[in-house]
Amino acid sequence: DQQVKQNSPSLSVQEGRISILNCDYTNSMFDYFLWYKKYPAEGPTFLISISSIKDKNEDGRFTVFLNKSAKHLSLHIVPSQPGDSAVYFCAANTGGFKTIFGAGTRLFVKA
Amino acid sequence: DTAVSQTPKYLVTQMGNDKSIKCEQNLGHDTMYWYKQDSKKFLKIMFSYNNKELIINETVPNRFSPKSPDKAHLNLHINSLELGDSAVYFCASSRQDQNIQYFGAGTRLSVL
Repeated sequence: DQQVKQNSPSLSVQEGRISILNCDYTNSMFDYFLWYKKYPAEGPTFLISISSIKDKNEDGRFTVFLNKSAKHLSLHIVPSQPGDSAVYFCAANTGGFKTIFGAGTRLFVKA
Repeated sequence: DTAVSQTPKYLVTQMGNDKSIKCEQNLGHDTMYWYKQDSKKFLKIMFSYNNKELIINETVPNRFSPKSPDKAHLNLHINSLELGDSAVYFCASSRQDQNIQYFGAGTRLSVL
């Protein structure tokens, strides 16, 4: 029973264009959502987060949108750069210590 | 200066052996975690310690035993290794009042 789902295993985008990574969740008790970025042979690193009381959070080229009624969030990267090529994990938390991660989406940004 | 460090980075061993993975964080965090990333790439929580006390213990076989000698260290000992234990194991830490976790680089365990 996977509570956080990233249905696209991979995404390929041209440099300079927008990358949109999607994430769906099933547990309505989740109240905090995070995106992590992972390069090969490294651990995931925190990228951006959003609380359930908001519907948008922006940090430079990265914006996360949350649609609570649809139990859906997305990460937008504009403009995409080759250095953004990595695996992106969506994660969700109910406010305690347990965070549930999705399986990740591998982003390829072509120069 | 690595914030969360795991050793070893790679571990190749035979079925039935016992092995340990060590984790140390220098961030002053109160909470530490062990995750397993299996072949399907999901990062699944195994254990979490807060101030040296076990607070999360997912349905993990008894062969896995975490040990936290102090707040900065969380080690993972695995007895009687099985083929299915082959995975990448990540250690992480966080402040107890924050959801953001800081991960180590992972330990790739291969059981032959």
